[in-house]
Amino acid sequence: NAGVTQTPKFQVLKTGQSMTLQCAQDMNHEYMSWYRQDPGMGLRLIHYSVGAGITDQGEVPNGYNVSRSTTEDFPLRLLSAAPSQTSVYFCASSIHEGGTDTQYFGPGTRLTVL
Amino acid sequence: GQSLEQPSEVTAVEGAIVQINCTYQTSGFYGLSWYQQHDGGAPTFLSYNALDGLEETGRFSSFLSRSDSYGYLLLQELQMKDSASYFCAVRDLDSWGKLQFGAGTQVVVTP
Repeated sequence: NAGVTQTPKFQVLKTGQSMTLQCAQDMNHEYMSWYRQDPGMGLRLIHYSVGAGITDQGEVPNGYNVSRSTTEDFPLRLLSAAPSQTSVYFCASSIHEGGTDTQYFGPGTRLTVL
Repeated sequence: GQSLEQPSEVTAVEGAIVQINCTYQTSGFYGLSWYQQHDGGAPTFLSYNALDGLEETGRFSSFLSRSDSYGYLLLQELQMKDSASYFCAVRDLDSWGKLQFGAGTQVVVTP
């Protein structure tokens, strides 16, 4: 299994540009999430999904859209990039079974908005 | 709503024991998780406690007291490679997909 994959690894955008961060998992997990992490900070939830066709907002959803058309893919779209969106973005998928609750993270996308 | 509190930094020498405390407030509680993150890397799962008591996994142990809304991660026989940030996290029962993280504790291991 590849686990959780994210592309691209690095991205530089100009203010106002839009782009999509890709996320895929091959573990058949129902739950997927997007987080952003600013330097020296914790993880803040942007959007999450509890299954194909179902998404909901996290703590910091403004400026981002998501969709979940398949179990495997959960892309994050930046509508009009702003310097405040410079951050590291992590996608994660999770499974809750057998008395455990484990979230698997992708390697992250490092985004800079100029 | 939910909130989690943990210390921002802990420094210890190799071979020592470090305890990272986490207190939480949540409208519905299912369990407490711990994640490790090295600089420049992604968080990785360490442990999960749904019931009161101690869970041991090698040099790392995690404890939960549901009545006190409190847990801790214990790092024993510290090694240089344990220098990292450690996050506690709780899942919101009202929104099962949401896993909320604390701000993280940076552990610095010195020779």
